[in-house]
Amino acid sequence: EPEVTQTPSHQVTQMGQEVILRCVPISNHLYFYWYRQILGQKVEFLVSFYNNEISEKSEIFDDQFSVERPDGSNFTLKIRSTKLEDSAMYFCASSGSRDSYNEQFFGPGTRLTVL
Amino acid sequence: EDQVTQSPEALRLQEGESSSLNCSYTVSGLRGLFWYRQDPGKGPEFLFTLYSAGEEKEKERLKATLTKKESFLHITAPKPEDSATYLCAVSIPGNNRKLIWGLGTSLAVNP
Repeated sequence: EPEVTQTPSHQVTQMGQEVILRCVPISNHLYFYWYRQILGQKVEFLVSFYNNEISEKSEIFDDQFSVERPDGSNFTLKIRSTKLEDSAMYFCASSGSRDSYNEQFFGPGTRLTVL
Repeated sequence: EDQVTQSPEALRLQEGESSSLNCSYTVSGLRGLFWYRQDPGKGPEFLFTLYSAGEEKEKERLKATLTKKESFLHITAPKPEDSATYLCAVSIPGNNRKLIWGLGTSLAVNP
């Protein structure tokens, strides 16, 4: 069964460092998303991506964040200068055609720890 | 402000003891309501999408229903393997597919 994969599973970094979180969405999906979940809090939308551009972004997704689809399979989230409050689980998700856009399928997540 | 609230926050059941989880929403409009299951340390696993009041969906021991203000996830004769956090999320018109999430209900089913 097709699934969304994410690497690494756990990333530890020092405050101020850049991190890149990687995702491989389901191959025939067209829409891609990043969410984050701080421990004990709600899942929060960060950004959606379609047709090689950002469709929507939340207020969390400031200039420190960027996304890229560098090739036909990968979807990345870059945090330029990490802060302590960026520590969270980051989930990538993808969804399919316009008719089934609602069903977003999630990867296992990357746990980001900023020291 | 668009908001999703789930109750209870935690629920402990005996195996076979049926119950319901609640998701209430206050949104400007509803494009769809989604139920996900999340196991510890893992990503949300899609369960159901509901689009309009009166709609019902079933999968094994789970049944989801929707009204104009809330959704219920009914769990019939649960088993220990149903233990997980159940998340509710909504998508609203005008927003490009982003999901607005509740905090979840942590369900523990004792054998």
